[in-house]
Amino acid sequence: SQQGEEDPQALSIQEGENATMNCSYKTSINNLQWYRQNSGRGLVHLILIRSNEREKHSGRLRVTLDTSKKSSSLLITASRAADTASYFCATDGSLQGGSEKLVFGKGTKLTVNP
Amino acid sequence: EAQVTQNPRYLITVTGKKLTVTCSQNMNHEYMSWYRQDPGLGLRQIYYSMNVEVTDKGDVPEGYKVSRKEKRNFPLILESPSPNQTSLYFCASRPGTAAPGELFFGEGSRLTVL
Repeated sequence: SQQGEEDPQALSIQEGENATMNCSYKTSINNLQWYRQNSGRGLVHLILIRSNEREKHSGRLRVTLDTSKKSSSLLITASRAADTASYFCATDGSLQGGSEKLVFGKGTKLTVNP
Repeated sequence: EAQVTQNPRYLITVTGKKLTVTCSQNMNHEYMSWYRQDPGLGLRQIYYSMNVEVTDKGDVPEGYKVSRKEKRNFPLILESPSPNQTSLYFCASRPGTAAPGELFFGEGSRLTVL
């Protein structure tokens, strides 16, 4: 059962620009996480935002959560070529069997051109 | 170094030949999970385990088996592989199940079934 849906599916920007990716979901959540995946590699956790939080920062990353719209956004500021990767949102919530069921979206493929 | 180790990383096999993909974590995590990743479908959960001897089905369990006899190991068994099981497989773990938290992923196992 797919919960999060990222938008856009693909994004190409120039180095130094900001990249914004969005995630929408359907049911109530306890928290939302963002992960990064370099081509063919394992996913790496970036940031977790709880349902009672609206914004969170980590280095060049800024995540927002709007539970009324069931959406989240990930902003990467001053992007670098090394940020080229796929980015996934993942949600877990009471309607999905609790915290043991983390459901991933299909991802946004970000390309940062030097 | 804290890590999730999967083996083999690459495997080509034939229909019907039983195979096992091993997963081991050295972080004393209670929770472990298997995902498969397919183009256009994102990550889908196959099986998960809340602790030793406790396993449960994810979204796409058909054709797979798992076992959790020891805390650190969570092998994925394909009793009779078929071509539709050609995929990129990821094992992941997390400290506990009571609270949400980041998943730690292995590097992936790319399986081709001919």
